[in-house]
Amino acid sequence: QVQLQESGPGLVKPSGTLALTCAVSGGSISSSIWWSWVRQPPGKGLEWIGDIYHSGSTNYNPSLKSRVTMSVDKSKNSFSLRLNSVTAADTAVYYCARETYSGSDSYFDYWGQGTLVTVSS
Amino acid sequence: QSVLTQPPSVSGAPGQRVTISCTGSSSNIGTNYDVHWYQQLPGTAPKVLIYGNTNRPSGVPDRFSGSKSGTSASLAITGLQAEDEADYYCQSYDSSLSSRVFGTGTKVTVL
Repeated sequence: QVQLQESGPGLVKPSGTLALTCAVSGGSISSSIWWSWVRQPPGKGLEWIGDIYHSGSTNYNPSLKSRVTMSVDKSKNSFSLRLNSVTAADTAVYYCARETYSGSDSYFDYWGQGTLVTVSS
Repeated sequence: QSVLTQPPSVSGAPGQRVTISCTGSSSNIGTNYDVHWYQQLPGTAPKVLIYGNTNRPSGVPDRFSGSKSGTSASLAITGLQAEDEADYYCQSYDSSLSSRVFGTGTKVTVL
């Protein structure tokens, strides 16, 4: 059974950098699978941030692309998210998720429990 | 703002059938990209309910079914139960945005 676990600071100052890591267990980060980050502001809907392949290839949401960087650490079987120049609008629960192929596209079949990141001074 | 539109809320009595629509466009649902559905219970992570428009993962009751036609998709819940009270999201891919996209979300209330 694949399990994902997010970790990182729960509080980030405005204009600072949000940095989270997702540890993967029960499966290899080097599988032929993409790994995603999704966020959800309090009381609002889901927003896809981007995804990364074990080779380091990435795709980012155009609305966040200028501020997002994702990376993979094969030695730790984990992947990470960095979001810079954060504002209060970036306050959200951040989820990491695994993608699985289905026909012409992929869907998210495993999710972490989520971690709340608050942007505040 | 999402490119996939869902009704903010739907409700029904126990045992009834409810449907949730997901309206997109020619750059996402209408371009043959699959639609997937997620259920999010309060305080928990989303869980896949339907993938590839109509497929249920193992363990998902057959009360849940999905369909897709043109630029829209629908999730139907038959025999509504109290435990179905949750938020539901559709998800697809948008070729204009080159991005995975979620619907606006629908809160299901069991009366």
